[in-house]
Amino acid sequence: AQSVAQPEDQVNVAEGNPLTVKCTYSVSGNPYLFWYVQYPNRGLQFLLKYITGDNLVKGSYGFEAEFNKSQTSFHLKKPSALVSDSALYFCAVRDDSGNTPLVFGKGTRLSVIA
Amino acid sequence: ETGVTQTPRHLVMGMTNKKSLKCEQHLGHNAMYWYKQSAKKPLELMFVYNFKEQTENNSVPSRFSPECPNSSHLFLHLHTLQPEDSALYLCASSQELGVRSYEQYFGPGTRLTVT
Repeated sequence: AQSVAQPEDQVNVAEGNPLTVKCTYSVSGNPYLFWYVQYPNRGLQFLLKYITGDNLVKGSYGFEAEFNKSQTSFHLKKPSALVSDSALYFCAVRDDSGNTPLVFGKGTRLSVIA
Repeated sequence: ETGVTQTPRHLVMGMTNKKSLKCEQHLGHNAMYWYKQSAKKPLELMFVYNFKEQTENNSVPSRFSPECPNSSHLFLHLHTLQPEDSALYLCASSQELGVRSYEQYFGPGTRLTVT
């Protein structure tokens, strides 16, 4: 079975400071990991994904995420937060076999304060 | 965001009405999905279609009836809904389910209110 946990419902950060949104996962095989962002009254937008290779993945809008196999984590990061980054962030996972769809975390609301 | 479109964007319906939500994808994908997003609840996967065949129905009540006439179009037919069905309904698409490295692309959603 696949599962993903986002331990924080809310993350607050000051503009210009680095931000981290946490995600841990559980899969039976090798993981494929994804981050999505949702702005108010909009659908989810794909940010980045880890499939294989370099553990540090770079994505849209200056976001990056680090895959850590030993800690089964895939935390989302950005060196300098913008007010416009305020949104709901979802981590998702699937394993590398079968036909099961993506499993999403419950989401973390990021608030960047000017 | 224009890769996956949803209509209508907003819908208000009474409990005895029948309505349909429409989703269209212009990305050449073969898998399509319906999700329900309620306030303060995790994203709920409702239905999955792969090459027009339904592969997943996550114990969704029969008052929700999906239809996938081709790989580009997905409908969600609604009848005798309950107020707790009020939510944002999201459509998504991706390459076929067997291609596991591909991400899903989401539409903007339909905000449904059941009165």
